[in-house]
Amino acid sequence: GQQVMQIPQYQHVQEGEDFTTYCNSSTTLSNIQWYKQRPGGHPVFLIQLVKSGEVKKQKRLTFQFGEAKKNSSLHITATQTTDVGTYFCAPRPPDSNYQLIWGAGTKLIIKP
Amino acid sequence: DGGITQSPKYLFRKEGQNVTLSCEQNLNHDAMYWYRQDPGQGLRLIYYSQIVNDFQKGDIAEGYSVSREKKESFPLTVTSAQKNPTAFYLCASSPPSGQQFFGPGTRLTVL
Repeated sequence: GQQVMQIPQYQHVQEGEDFTTYCNSSTTLSNIQWYKQRPGGHPVFLIQLVKSGEVKKQKRLTFQFGEAKKNSSLHITATQTTDVGTYFCAPRPPDSNYQLIWGAGTKLIIKP
Repeated sequence: DGGITQSPKYLFRKEGQNVTLSCEQNLNHDAMYWYRQDPGQGLRLIYYSQIVNDFQKGDIAEGYSVSREKKESFPLTVTSAQKNPTAFYLCASSPPSGQQFFGPGTRLTVL
């Protein structure tokens, strides 16, 4: 089936440094959603991107959808301890109203 | 208070036993999903249902069964045929083309 690659698997940062995770698909996507899962918790929806080249911001988080609608990124500026968790991209294939394809996630770890 | 509930939070099972995980939603969503998550891994789709009395297999349906007799409920049975059932099980619901809302999950351990 259709797959998506999310990199890196882990990112260790000092508090205050930036964090970025990338999501890449070999095929064109209908849209893409991003979720955050805190340690021991369940995924929580962050945002949905629909338009080619779309950029959306939520405070220190910036989400981008590629021009070809095949890739996306999430960038966090000046990380805080509350940002710790795993960030998943979940693209939606063009032929589905319901199914999502889940990336493997990028775990954000704040160095002590 | 709207949302998705899953019970129990922790479940222990002996090998060879079937076990049923509960999932209830009061969000009036037509679609519901079951995912499995192993430690440090992403989510894998077990089954999903777009409407009452209908459901489809996901990527890892073998050893699992579901029913959708009511819009609000989508129970998952982990059968003895599932060879490695210890995992974190997440239930979700969504409107068409919308975000997925997750329950708190059930951690199943096979002893």
